[in-house]
Amino acid sequence: QVHLVQSGAEVKKSGASVKVSCKTSGYTFINYGISWVRQAPGHGLEWMGWISGHNNITNYAQKFQGRLTLTTDTSTRTAYMDLRSLRSDDTAVYYCARDTTWFDPWGQGTLVTVSS
Amino acid sequence: EIVMTQSPATLSVSPGERATLSCRASQSIGINLAWYQQKPGQAPRLLIYGASTRATGVPARFSGSGSGTEFTLTVTSLQSEDFALYFCQQFTNWPKTFGQGTRVEFK
Repeated sequence: QVHLVQSGAEVKKSGASVKVSCKTSGYTFINYGISWVRQAPGHGLEWMGWISGHNNITNYAQKFQGRLTLTTDTSTRTAYMDLRSLRSDDTAVYYCARDTTWFDPWGQGTLVTVSS
Repeated sequence: EIVMTQSPATLSVSPGERATLSCRASQSIGINLAWYQQKPGQAPRLLIYGASTRATGVPARFSGSGSGTEFTLTVTSLQSEDFALYFCQQFTNWPKTFGQGTRVEFK
């Protein structure tokens, strides 16, 4: 089966950066992209960006341009999300998902808490 | 950016009843729509893609319909495990926007 397993919860100070990993298995990594989505407490889903599985092409939501970097390591089948200059409203659960046009499956989520 | 609007925000239904959830796109998206189910503390799970195709393992009581700007997710004979949050998503254009969700709760 296809699995996406994310790194553990993080607590960061305002202004810091966070890097979340998403390790995949069960499919040919380079054949699919990975999208990242976040969900603030009690809120809906917000798409952040996408990265190709084979050539590092990225597409970022305008809101995160300049603060977000998505990367992959094809040797370990792992995708990474790096978000900089964290603010309190970045507190959310961050998900990776295999992007087959729609998102399936999703990682289990990583809670990032930003404190001042 | 395509805006997705779901209604109602909350739907109160009794077990065994039918639930009908709506999703509207701000411009035509053809059939480039997916539905997801999310339970508390869990990641979303794909239910429907291409507006009407059930994902692997999704029970037949879930069905999707619609095209263009109006879409519907129907759950016939709600089971206890179906009480959850449901999101629609368009994948016609970047960004791949989501609706704000419909919560299906016990009546």
